[in-house]
Amino acid sequence: DAMVIQNPRYQVTQFGKPVTLSCSQTLNHNVMYWYQQKSSQAPKLLFHYYDKDFNNEADTPDNFQSRRPNTSFCFLDIRSPGLGDAAMYLCATSREAVARPYNEQFFGPGTRLTVL
Amino acid sequence: LAKTTQPISMDSYEGQEVNITCSHNNIATNDYITWYQQFPSQGPRFIIQGYKTKVTNEVASLFIPADRKSSTLSLPRVSLSDTAVYYCLVILQTGANNLFFGTGTRLTVIP
Repeated sequence: DAMVIQNPRYQVTQFGKPVTLSCSQTLNHNVMYWYQQKSSQAPKLLFHYYDKDFNNEADTPDNFQSRRPNTSFCFLDIRSPGLGDAAMYLCATSREAVARPYNEQFFGPGTRLTVL
Repeated sequence: LAKTTQPISMDSYEGQEVNITCSHNNIATNDYITWYQQFPSQGPRFIIQGYKTKVTNEVASLFIPADRKSSTLSLPRVSLSDTAVYYCLVILQTGANNLFFGTGTRLTVIP
């Protein structure tokens, strides 16, 4: 089945140690998104790619970076994780920009990041 | 900024119809309203999307009044497996591709 895959499902890192989370999709969608979701909160959009065009949300810290080497893969890099970065990180895709009708987002299962 | 407001939580018995209302006072003319469902430790899942009046699919209905300042997600005959958090989103048609999840409504279905 076509899907959004996130690896690993659980990631533990140390304070200040760079970490990379990965996302892949078999849907061949143009847009890929990264969200941060903290406990009992709504997902918060960090950034997204429309094809190779990167779009950063205004309040996303510089500590968070992203790469999309090809259509299928997208990475979230946290350069120096702090305790406050512990969260679930969700990857999502959509065929076109969600501002267009009938372009729902498909979410992966998430990666839960723990910072020690 | 199209901020949404939802009740924090709701309880319902199995087999009942559940209506979850979302307020979006600043919605613009062409913005869409979308609802997602999220189970613990999973990503959100799309339920339904609408622009005006009523939309129905195999799992839910979405009612949007003429002024579009609110919308109501209707789940017919809920079961225990419908216990989840439900998010209302307004997708902005202009400007940046902004996606703001509301606070969500935690629905608990009681046997």
